[in-house]
Amino acid sequence: EVQLVESGGGLVQTGGSLRLSCTASGFSFSDYYMNWVRQAPGKGLEWVSFIATSSATIHYADSVKGRFSISRDNAKNSLYLEMDSLRDEDTAVYYCARQAAHGNIDYWGQGTLVTVSS
Amino acid sequence: EIVLTQSPGTLSLSPGERATLSCRASQSVSSSYLAWYQQKPGQAPRLLIYGASSRATGIPDRFSGSGSGTDFTLTINRLEPEDFAVYYCQQYGGSPLFTFGPGTKVDIK
Repeated sequence: EVQLVESGGGLVQTGGSLRLSCTASGFSFSDYYMNWVRQAPGKGLEWVSFIATSSATIHYADSVKGRFSISRDNAKNSLYLEMDSLRDEDTAVYYCARQAAHGNIDYWGQGTLVTVSS
Repeated sequence: EIVLTQSPGTLSLSPGERATLSCRASQSVSSSYLAWYQQKPGQAPRLLIYGASSRATGIPDRFSGSGSGTDFTLTINRLEPEDFAVYYCQQYGGSPLFTFGPGTKVDIK
């Protein structure tokens, strides 16, 4: 069974930093592109970042470029999101998401809530 | 930048009725890279349709997708009580890499 389990969310002050982790199981993690997608309270889905299998290709949404950093450790079946200079508008549930061949997300984690407040 | 627009914003229907949800892109999207998701309160999204018209594993055949270019449709035949939820379309490969539509809420009339 495919499982994605996020951790690391919490309350952080405006301007602060946080590191999210996602542990994958039930599939060959190193074979899949991975993403982070977020959802602000009561709002829609927003793609945040993409990382290819070998980490050679990385993309970010303009809203987080220069502040967030995605990485992965295939030996540990883990995906990370380092978030710096956090803003109030970064408050959201952050989902770890596995990308399938057609560019869709076929598995999602349960999400971890990040609350940014002064 | 590819922008996805979904209509209507809210669809009020009764169980047993058909729901027709629209997703329009600001520029042409490859059909291979258009997907639909269902999300219920407090849950992660669930993949329904990928490649514009292929049902994901375990998705009932009352869900169907169609369309090409800039206009895509998700149809739900004979709404079941568990189908009342928010539905999002999503494209991949443009700029930005992923784009989600704002969602259509299907609620009980």
